[in-house]
Amino acid sequence: AQSVTQPDIHITVSEGASLELRCNYSYGATPYLFWYVQSPGQGLQLLLKYFSGDTLVQGIKGFEAEFKRSQSSFNLRKPSVHWSDAAEYFCALNTGTASKLTFGTGTRLQVTL
Amino acid sequence: DTAVSQTPKYLVTQMGNDKSIKCEQNLGHDTMYWYKQDSKKFLKIMFSYNNKELIINETVPNRFSPKSPDKAHLNLHINSLELGDSAVYFCASSPGLAGANVLTFGAGSRLTVL
Repeated sequence: AQSVTQPDIHITVSEGASLELRCNYSYGATPYLFWYVQSPGQGLQLLLKYFSGDTLVQGIKGFEAEFKRSQSSFNLRKPSVHWSDAAEYFCALNTGTASKLTFGTGTRLQVTL
Repeated sequence: DTAVSQTPKYLVTQMGNDKSIKCEQNLGHDTMYWYKQDSKKFLKIMFSYNNKELIINETVPNRFSPKSPDKAHLNLHINSLELGDSAVYFCASSPGLAGANVLTFGAGSRLTVL
């Protein structure tokens, strides 16, 4: 069975600093990988996705993620964090033909001014 | 115009009551889902429907009964509510079943059982 691990429950960064949120997955083949963001009291918004091809994918709001097959990782990065980026970030994977997103436990990002 | 809309946004009720949450999508998608987010923010799929047909039922108690009158609507009815049902329930939709499809989520319905 597939699984997603987000090792960091809570991360605090200063505004303007760089950010990296970790995501590791377990699956026998290359899955479809996603990062979603959930702002307080809101639904989930897709930041970016990886299906195949270029392992560095660009998303909305200046985020990018790199797929590393050898490390089973799909880490999310942003060069300069803004206070409005404070939210909960979820890594997720999907496989096969029955759409069934499996989520990680999320990383809460706090941004200090 | 909201792509995936859920009502109500907040629901507070007593144990033992029956309640429903409604979901509608205007994206023309074929597949709809219910996810449950617990107090620790963990998201888990409950059900998925494709063109009104139940595809996934993730060992959810029989007290939960989804209904899809058409492919744009997926409602969730919960009987005999228990304290452990308190959570945020998210509806989502996608163009189809394949794993490469992106899910679009609603804003969530927060259910509190007292």
